[in-house]
Amino acid sequence: KQEVTQIPAALSVPEGENLVLNCSFTDSAIYNLQWFRQDPGKGLTSLLLIQSSQREQTSGRLNASLDKSSGRSTLYIAASQPGDSATYLCAVRNSGYSTLTFGKGTMLLVSP
Amino acid sequence: EAQVTQNPRYLITVTGKKLTVTCSQNMNHEYMSWYRQDPGLGLRQIYYSMNVEVTDKGDVPEGYKVSRKEKRNFPLILESPSPNQTSLYFCASSPDRGLIYEQFFGPGTRLTVL
Repeated sequence: KQEVTQIPAALSVPEGENLVLNCSFTDSAIYNLQWFRQDPGKGLTSLLLIQSSQREQTSGRLNASLDKSSGRSTLYIAASQPGDSATYLCAVRNSGYSTLTFGKGTMLLVSP
Repeated sequence: EAQVTQNPRYLITVTGKKLTVTCSQNMNHEYMSWYRQDPGLGLRQIYYSMNVEVTDKGDVPEGYKVSRKEKRNFPLILESPSPNQTSLYFCASSPDRGLIYEQFFGPGTRLTVL
């Protein structure tokens, strides 16, 4: 059964820092991996989707990489801002299934 | 505006009283899914549907029912709610099974079962 782990569970940084969030998964047979952002009491907003054949995706200050063979993905946030404060979730789409397995998230706090 | 809507957003009920949480999307998506989110356990998939009249179990289907009679709607039914179903519920949709396209999530329904 697929397991997704996110490290660290929480992260606090001053504004302007570049930071990396990590996601690892146990079964490398995946279709894709998606990064989400969740604000307190709110739904999930999709940030980036990486297909299994891709190595990375970029959107603005965000860059996500995928190393499928080693079961790892990273989300890089450049020049962090207080508005980036949220919980970041990664989720993998498992091959052969239509299920999505989520990590428990990294809670990010960016201080002014 | 393209969106996934859920109703109600908040619900407090008592054990055993049947309830339905509605989910609707206006994007003509084929795939729809329900998740629950619990502290320490993260998001877990309850049921999903790949098209009208096609539904399948996710990781935690016990105590839930779904139906997909129309493409846009995917209600979640709790026939006899119990306190362990107290949770934050999310509905999601995507154009395909999520193989190519991302999933879009609704705002969530916070359910409390007393």
